[in-house]
Amino acid sequence: EDKVVQSPLSLVVHEGDTVTLNCSYEVTNFRSLLWYKQEKKAPTFLFMLTSSGIEKKSGRLSSILDKKELFSILNITATQTGDSAIYLCAVEGYRTGANNLFFGTGTRLTVIP
Amino acid sequence: DAGVIQSPRHEVTEMGQEVTLRCKPISGHDYLFWYRQTMMRGLELLIYFNNNVPIDDSGMPEDRFSAKMPNASFSTLKIQPSEPRDSAVYFCASSPQRIDYGYTFGSGTRLTVV
Repeated sequence: EDKVVQSPLSLVVHEGDTVTLNCSYEVTNFRSLLWYKQEKKAPTFLFMLTSSGIEKKSGRLSSILDKKELFSILNITATQTGDSAIYLCAVEGYRTGANNLFFGTGTRLTVIP
Repeated sequence: DAGVIQSPRHEVTEMGQEVTLRCKPISGHDYLFWYRQTMMRGLELLIYFNNNVPIDDSGMPEDRFSAKMPNASFSTLKIQPSEPRDSAVYFCASSPQRIDYGYTFGSGTRLTVV
């Protein structure tokens, strides 16, 4: 059964801390892994990863994929209160005739001033 | 570009009533997805369309759920009859031919069935 597991489920940190969010997966015919940030409304796209070991960065956020061990991490350095959100990991797999995107349940990050 | 537009934003209905959720994808996007989000199960794919044709509806929970895409600019998700356990936020998302730039999500419809 295809699945995406994120950990921790929730995390509370102080501003300035560095956090690491984890995503492990088992998906048929892996194609890509995506990270989303969801605040009050719709998820917004952060990164798409397709190759192992290549870090993607955007400001204080970075992410890397390990296709051998089937996981990805999302790092946030020097956290700010605006980083408070649910971070969703999604994995694209492929079954006969159909692409599919499987989401984890997310990690709820709370950054305290 | 107005993004993916969903309506209504909120819907409160009584058990047994029919509910119709609407979505307008981004113009030119070939794929349209309907998701349901709950605290317990996270974000689940219900169904998706490619060029207006349903490709995979294996996530549709039961026969009470149906989705249509009569043209490239409009899709509906219908629940008939609705039940309290259908209460969730329903997201519509669209993407170009591949998801190389990620899906674009609408703001969602928060459905409450009482």
